[in-house]
Amino acid sequence: KNEVEQSPQNLTAQEGEFITINCSYSVGISALHWLQQHPGGGIVSLFMLSSGKKKHGRLIATINIQEKHSSLHITASHPRDSAVYICAVSGTYKYIFGTGTRLKVLA
Amino acid sequence: GAGVSQSPSNKVTEKGKDVELRCDPISGHTALYWYRQSLGQGLEFLIYFQGNSAPDKSGLPSDRFSAERTGGSVSTLTIQRTQQEDSAVYLCASSLGSHTGELFFGEGSRLTVL
Repeated sequence: KNEVEQSPQNLTAQEGEFITINCSYSVGISALHWLQQHPGGGIVSLFMLSSGKKKHGRLIATINIQEKHSSLHITASHPRDSAVYICAVSGTYKYIFGTGTRLKVLA
Repeated sequence: GAGVSQSPSNKVTEKGKDVELRCDPISGHTALYWYRQSLGQGLEFLIYFQGNSAPDKSGLPSDRFSAERTGGSVSTLTIQRTQQEDSAVYLCASSLGSHTGELFFGEGSRLTVL
């Protein structure tokens, strides 16, 4: 079992839909990271959080430390949100990455 | 520049040749990581540098892979006697501290071994 699990692996949505991507982890962490990778592009850090909730534009990230679970929400999704979203955790060890959720938003 | 810079962005080489990939991290970032991403796959850890400490080389897949970081800044990943299975995107990332800060990635170096 991977130490960081994401679901779903693939997601197709219609423009305007509310999207949720989940991440569960099994190790102790200092922080959890949400990253975005566009096709053929580099990786951009969206959020780093250790508790509670953060919001940036249409993106919201939450974390429940007790349940070892985080969610990334996208409100009013748009085709430009199409990308791979990667969850990663960090602590006293190396960063551990999930395998990513491939999101496609259709116009 | 303000971000992590990698070069070359694309490299095509013949099997058996050596390649060098360069990473220039964000100024002041003491932690530097190399990752490999094969087509459609997740990130595979290769090597980690933190300040002047000995690097964590535990992710290097074979002794054909090596990396160095000069003066705590620029890093070079060297692959000797390249094989077709080395074809991948090699990503460099840096952060302010070890394993806890926000990670900043370069655009990657796409290596194709013919």
